[in-house]
Amino acid sequence: DTAVSQTPKYLVTQMGNDKSIKCEQNLGHDTMYWYKQDSKKFLKIMFSYNNKELIINETVPNRFSPKSPDKAHLNLHINSLELGDSAVYFCASSHQEGRLAGVREQYFGPGTRLTVT
Amino acid sequence: QKEVEQDPGPLSVPEGAIVSLNCTYSNSAFQYFMWYRQYSRKGPELLMYTYSSGNKEDGRFTAQVDKSSKYISLFIRDSQPSDSATYLCAMSAGWRGSTLGRLYFGRGTQLTVWP
Repeated sequence: DTAVSQTPKYLVTQMGNDKSIKCEQNLGHDTMYWYKQDSKKFLKIMFSYNNKELIINETVPNRFSPKSPDKAHLNLHINSLELGDSAVYFCASSHQEGRLAGVREQYFGPGTRLTVT
Repeated sequence: QKEVEQDPGPLSVPEGAIVSLNCTYSNSAFQYFMWYRQYSRKGPELLMYTYSSGNKEDGRFTAQVDKSSKYISLFIRDSQPSDSATYLCAMSAGWRGSTLGRLYFGRGTQLTVWP
């Protein structure tokens, strides 16, 4: 009965490779997010999607490309991996119901620990 | 200057102590305030959610927001070893302007409660 799930949990790869991380939520939420958490635990938004529409697209390298095939899934593809991409990547979701609803609480997945060697 | 400042600690207290965690912020447009708890190697989980100023209590946890001072706090009473985790504050200006509902997180304070 996992609410927000991510695969894989761990990813070790070499510089220059391309990899994908998948995220699924079974909460019926309409908004999904990708966050990056660095080694100092700083959590920063990368992207958000609302009803499959890209809403937030932070200043991240264009090697990072999110894809939302439907409201329950948000994947992250990373091209030409670099050492600095090593971090924990978290997917999250919330039930936004439009902007008048304010900001709703976000539910996080368990994270994908990416190590680039 | 970062949007949200939080002392990373670490903070180490004996079981039963009252713990005080806090964050300061610079953006006066913030009106949604949250505290997340993150256990080691896990995702953050929402602990407290407050809209605008005031206090909110939930069991042993109390969240306070002072918008005039741009300062938020989380108090944990009768702390337990199971409270050992990293506590992250997060805040948002809602959907005003270009913020688009994004959350801004503090760096987190690492708390250890020893028996």
